[in-house]
Amino acid sequence: NAGVMQNPRHLVRRRGQEARLRCSPMKGHSHVYWYRQLPEEGLKFMVYLQKENIIDESGMPKERFSAEFPKEGPSILRIQQVVRGDSAAYFCASSPGGAYGYTFGSGTRLTVV
Amino acid sequence: DQQVKQNSPSLSVQEGRISILNCDYTNSMFDYFLWYKKYPAEGPTFLISISSIKDKNEDGRFTVFLNKSAKHLSLHIVPSQPGDSAVYFCAAALSQGNLIFGKGTKLSVKP
Repeated sequence: NAGVMQNPRHLVRRRGQEARLRCSPMKGHSHVYWYRQLPEEGLKFMVYLQKENIIDESGMPKERFSAEFPKEGPSILRIQQVVRGDSAAYFCASSPGGAYGYTFGSGTRLTVV
Repeated sequence: DQQVKQNSPSLSVQEGRISILNCDYTNSMFDYFLWYKKYPAEGPTFLISISSIKDKNEDGRFTVFLNKSAKHLSLHIVPSQPGDSAVYFCAAALSQGNLIFGKGTKLSVKP
């Protein structure tokens, strides 16, 4: 039973490019959460999704960031026109519902050059 | 405005002794608290949790204490082992499952 799978593990983008981060939840988990960790900081909640629905996007920056969790396939966090300040570790977590059984992936480290 | 605070960025403990990591929170609506352990370049790993209706939960060497009146929780590791060296994050949950994290405490257990 594979855990939460995130890819790529490392992603380098030039300023102005688009970044796409993928997350496949654990089998049986229908709730997906995205978090961002800046250097020397804790993890900050970004968005909570269920299949085909955004439940809570209160932590998402207002511009350039979007997320989806389609009926088929992984959840995608998309960052358009990346800037240096977007450089961070992005973690995805999944759960069967609520905070119980919450499991994190290994993260995607985005570097904007 | 930080709702979950870990005021000690680092802690150094001798192997075999007790490690005590502290966490304070401000929102009395939190109903579930969790501790995560994180190694560099890896995702957080769940360690132990406690519901707001309890004041203690124990799992092997790890015990979490919750003091709701003080809005304070602590993680005790006894005895500490060098493999426990990692960053420990305290997190508080609202009903939907969004977790609010503290900034973490880096624990170093010296042989």
